[in-house]
Formats: sequence, structure tokens, C-alpha cells
Amino acid sequence: EIVLTQSPGTLSLSPGERATLSCRASQTVNTNYLAWYQQKTGQAPRLLIYAASNRATGIPDRFSGSGSETDFTLTISRLEPEDFAVYFCQQYGSSPGTFGGGTKVEI
Amino acid sequence: QVQLQESSPGLLRPSETLSLTCTVSGYSVTTGFFWGWIRQPPGKGLEWIGNIYHNGDAYYNASIRSRLTMSIDTSKNQFSLKLTSLTAADTAVYYCARGGVGVAAVDPFDYWGQGTLVSVSS
Repeated sequence: EIVLTQSPGTLSLSPGERATLSCRASQTVNTNYLAWYQQKTGQAPRLLIYAASNRATGIPDRFSGSGSETDFTLTISRLEPEDFAVYFCQQYGSSPGTFGGGTKVEI
Repeated sequence: QVQLQESSPGLLRPSETLSLTCTVSGYSVTTGFFWGWIRQPPGKGLEWIGNIYHNGDAYYNASIRSRLTMSIDTSKNQFSLKLTSLTAADTAVYYCARGGVGVAAVDPFDYWGQGTLVSVSS
């Protein structure tokens, strides 16, 4: 199975700053089928990005995804107060669809 | 809009069997997507459990495959999970979601249920 490693584990930033989150795969992700999810405490994850760089419906354009093969990045251009949460990457190009361990973005 | 709702089994004892059902509204389970289960132990990350297509084609996480059965009831627009021989390590919030990976389709999880906490304790 493909192992996803997210870094850093925690990112401490202020509102208005730029956040850059990394997700590295142990092998090439088929067709760049890499997704990013946001999870707030007590809530289900929410899909932000699919196929590495496509924003899901209703996701603000301050969220962007990039990367290919084994290295992927989620960028939040200017952090809003509601963006402080945990972010997970997931590859769904091959079964099992594994998740990364998560990055917490804190104030 | 698409909505998913998990059943709530609550507290279970070690060695018992977990039965969960996800009821889907606003979308037919027969239309073009896999339907999946994901769990999250308290304070930890997400673990993909498995996903199933409307024709019964199912893919399971190898780590629990021997204990896991998934099924789908297209007449009720529901899909289900059975996990046997529970231990404390199965304690988690269990989510159902639309999406998954297999021969028939490849999709991220775009709609999620609210999750249900399953506690396994003697």
C-alpha cells in the first residue's frame, strides 16, 4: 500500500499568513489522484481538493493544490480564522485509499 | 442535496460484532459511485476501512479483511458494515461517505456522514 507522510505535524501561523502543507507518497500516485480534506474538531472531514489541484464545490480560491507523482502541496494563500483546523491528504488512485497522518494548522 | 447518516450502535463488548448502516438521501446508491467507510480512533488520524459498489463489488482494508463484511441494499438506498471479533483497538468514530476506489470508479470522498462513535469496552 502507498504510505503518505505529511509535514509538518503542526504549523503555527497567524491570520493573513500563507500556509504550505506537504504530502509525500512512498510511491507514485496513479493519475495524481490525491485529495486534501479539512477537519475541524467534532466534525467530519470536508473535501477541499481532488486530483491534486482541483477545488471541490464551494471551496474558496485561497485554497490551492499542486504537485505530482510523489510530492504534493496544499497552499492556503491567506489564512482566515475558520481555516485553523487539521488537514489530511489521501491517495485514491489505488486500493487501499490511504490517508496521511495530518497537519494541524494552529494560531 | 446528498446526505448520509450512520446508525448508532454505541457501546459494545470485546468479541462482539459491530453492525453499522449508512442511509443515503438525495442520491441513489446505484448511480456511478463507490460507497465507503472510514474510521478515526479518538485523537488520531483517518483509516480507510473499505468501499462497495452497487453491484456488490467490494474492496477491504487488508488489516481487517478477515473480520469485515460490507453489503449494499439498493431497495433501501443503504449500505452496511459488519466487523466481527471486536477489540478495544476498534474504538473509533466511524464515518460513511460517497466515494472510493476500485475497478468501476475512482473518486475522493466528497460527501460524509456526521460520524458515529463506537466504543469497545468490557
